[in-house]
Amino acid sequence: GAVVSQHPSRVICKSGTSVKIECRSLDFQATTMFWYRQFPKKSLMLMATSNEGSKATYEQGVEKDKFLINHASLTLSTLTVTSAHPEDSSFYICSARDLARDLYEQYFGPGTRLTVT
Amino acid sequence: GQNIDQPTEMTATEGAIVQINCTYQTSGFNGLFWYQQHAGEAPTFLSYNVLDGLEEKGRFSSFLSRSKGYSYLLLKELQMKDSASYLCAVRDQDYQLIWGAGTKLIIKP
Repeated sequence: GAVVSQHPSRVICKSGTSVKIECRSLDFQATTMFWYRQFPKKSLMLMATSNEGSKATYEQGVEKDKFLINHASLTLSTLTVTSAHPEDSSFYICSARDLARDLYEQYFGPGTRLTVT
Repeated sequence: GQNIDQPTEMTATEGAIVQINCTYQTSGFNGLFWYQQHAGEAPTFLSYNVLDGLEEKGRFSSFLSRSKGYSYLLLKELQMKDSASYLCAVRDQDYQLIWGAGTKLIIKP
């Protein structure tokens, strides 16, 4: 149990276009989802915390108008990278909390590799 | 500020034992996690410590000393598949995860 999926696993897009990444909790309800990005050989950097039915809370330095997060249901959160640029190329990982299982444990999705050309 | 330190890289031999250390200074403490991350993949959960002492799970053990702000992950009977990065993360007073930069473990035959 506690499986989180992400789609797509890899995406290549051109500069100026927008890319949407989906994060789904497959066998539990996730009231809170987290979005991270990770640069090569670096640790995870929390971008935002997404709560179902409310606006996401962004970490300092993360542009909310560039990284649009929508958590419309208890099993789905989406991250849209708008007007992507090469510097947005990174590994994006989501995680989700299952309140019924553990109040504070996070379960990670497999990640999405974004390359902006 | 909040800080988690762990070695950048370690090398060990197949079949041997390796200890990966992690020290932390955070605003409050609500548990320490170890994750394994293979290249190009998301982290996978290894262990969780919230009380002092040693938690053993198969070939992996994790130790915590809250008074010293210190933890280690012990890997026994190393296998080639253990080559990965090992991330230490601390849950602070707000239940946010603070991540270390990870330790890249290289296993040699």
